[in-house]
Amino acid sequence: AQTVTQSQPEMSVQEAETVTLSCTYDTSESNYYLFWYKQPPSRQMILVIRQEAYKQQNATENRFSVNFQKAAKSFSLKISDSQLGDTAMYFCAFMNPLYNNNDMRFGAGTRLTVKP
Amino acid sequence: GAVVSQHPSWVICKSGTSVKIECRSLDFQATTMFWYRQFPKQSLMLMATSNEGSKATYEQGVEKDKFLINHASLTLSTLTVTSAHPEDSSFYICSAREVGGPNEKLFFGSGTQLSVL
Repeated sequence: AQTVTQSQPEMSVQEAETVTLSCTYDTSESNYYLFWYKQPPSRQMILVIRQEAYKQQNATENRFSVNFQKAAKSFSLKISDSQLGDTAMYFCAFMNPLYNNNDMRFGAGTRLTVKP
Repeated sequence: GAVVSQHPSWVICKSGTSVKIECRSLDFQATTMFWYRQFPKQSLMLMATSNEGSKATYEQGVEKDKFLINHASLTLSTLTVTSAHPEDSSFYICSAREVGGPNEKLFFGSGTQLSVL
């Protein structure tokens, strides 16, 4: 079974600085997708960034970028120029498109606080 | 973009009663919908997967007679918590995949907070 591990329950960063959230996963598959979702206090799940495992290039979305290390099964999220609105729970997620209706599995989450 | 509407956003009920939560895809058709449960300060745990016109697939440890799922159309899935008890109090979130859309793209509802007294 696929598992997703986020080893940092809480993190904080000063506004305008850079922070990296860690995520590791376990799978025997070669083709899959990885995601970072943000859950603000409203609890709406918001997709931050998505990475396809067969793509070597790291995904980037504005201030958000990932460091995808397939061999190490690592998928970290870097937030640059942190803003107060980035304060939220961040979940790393895994999806295998060939497994069980393509359901998504989430890590335990990292609570990020951006301090003014 | 695609929108998933989930209702109600919060509900309070007495122990022993049943509660129905709706998940609708507003501007697309959804072949598959997923139901998650989230306890305070915890992650989303998949409860079940529902496919339009067929029985839901439940995750291990989830009571199918307790959490009834119906996916009668391509735009609506419902989760009914039957004979609710205080331990069923939780945040429930649905997500949906668009027919013909990328398999990896899911759209999430805004969630339902259930409080059982």
